[in-house]
Amino acid sequence: DVKVTQSSRYLVKRTGEKVFLECVQDMDHENMFWYRQDPGLGLRLIYFSYDVKMKEKGDIPEGYSVSREKKERFSLILESASTNQTSMYLCASSHTPDRVHYSARNEQFFGPGTRLTVL
Amino acid sequence: KNEVEQSPQNLTAQEGEFITINCSYSVGISALHWLQQHPGGGIVSLFMLSSGKKKHGRLIATINIQEKHSSLHITASHPRDSAVYICAVLKAAGNKLTFGGGTRVLVKP
Repeated sequence: DVKVTQSSRYLVKRTGEKVFLECVQDMDHENMFWYRQDPGLGLRLIYFSYDVKMKEKGDIPEGYSVSREKKERFSLILESASTNQTSMYLCASSHTPDRVHYSARNEQFFGPGTRLTVL
Repeated sequence: KNEVEQSPQNLTAQEGEFITINCSYSVGISALHWLQQHPGGGIVSLFMLSSGKKKHGRLIATINIQEKHSSLHITASHPRDSAVYICAVLKAAGNKLTFGGGTRVLVKP
């Protein structure tokens, strides 16, 4: 079974604190993703990584950074947390499709989510 | 206009009823996901399909590539089916998903 784990289910931080959200996957996936989910806005991509030390901005990268030092781990960093970053954060991972197995390999597997509250 | 639209946004059914959720998209895709999220929970992938129809237990997903439309059906619905169902598409030659807004389903006993 694919497993994507996140370091915390619930987290409460204060404005201005530096926050680290960790995600680990055990399926040797090349791609890893960080999303946030807010009522009425659905899931939005913050950053993704397609290889170790490689990253690409998603739709809403402002206020966030990421780190991918090892293939299995993808960290989301809030340098100075703000109240508008209160949200549910979801990590996901997938293989990079190859030409033969394109559709079978691009399924994304999601972690359980971290509900972050910034006071 | 969103690239992925779901309908309805909310749906209430009685236990045992047949439920249909619709997803329309406006871009070329390589695959479409149906995802399920229970309250307070993570997201589980139900189906990934690029053509035709897939069935798993009481769930059936269909896709019509020409019409850019997919449906998720729940037969003999049960209260434990209460969740948000999300349609997401993988654009052609891409790695990133584009999500619909979700359909909140409540099945009453």
